[in-house]
Amino acid sequence: ETGVTQTPRHLVMGMTNKKSLKCEQHLGHNAMYWYKQSAKKPLELMFVYNFKEQTENNSVPSRFSPECPNSSHLFLHLHTLQPEDSALYLCASSQVGTSGNNEQFFGPGTRLTVL
Amino acid sequence: AQSVTQPDIHITVSEGASLELRCNYSYGATPYLFWYVQSPGQGLQLLLKYFSGDTLVQGIKGFEAEFKRSQSSFNLRKPSVHWSDAAEYFCAVSTGTASKLTFGTGTRLQVTL
Repeated sequence: ETGVTQTPRHLVMGMTNKKSLKCEQHLGHNAMYWYKQSAKKPLELMFVYNFKEQTENNSVPSRFSPECPNSSHLFLHLHTLQPEDSALYLCASSQVGTSGNNEQFFGPGTRLTVL
Repeated sequence: AQSVTQPDIHITVSEGASLELRCNYSYGATPYLFWYVQSPGQGLQLLLKYFSGDTLVQGIKGFEAEFKRSQSSFNLRKPSVHWSDAAEYFCAVSTGTASKLTFGTGTRLQVTL
């Protein structure tokens, strides 16, 4: 595997289900991100992890729970979601340092549908 | 806080025609600027980036962009568009050592044959 991978690619879940999205980066980066992409809206940054520590949470509802067990893996645990949470969830990684060169590499995304 | 504006939501060009996608940013210092492309059902792929130096940067797939500080712009160009360029294009800005990218709302490019 190369780059950033995400599983599953598609997920349909009911409002009472619990599911998890998985992201893995094979680039040796030290930062990972979750974004939400809804139709006709800009990409919304949800969470940022630097060196496995969460450094940003953009007022994301608690029904989304991130987990970063190591610098290569990132999870997004989902529970009691709402239909408006249906979107493409993108994971990204980057090597963050003093240069400000924050080139982020994206995975293909998970298309989530909440019924 | 920084912001990015892509004034064109949707653009249609004929194959072989030239292309320019507009991007304006708001930030007090010199930003780090990026253009990404997203094909349907896919993630974002980096086309090119500007950090410093030459204000005209070359990217993949024949794209280039020019940083104009006086206009706070970073417009993306391609001299001759191919049908496979049909996609959504996002401009983004990063500042200093922050790990955050701020994206524009995107421009959807349609290419007619």
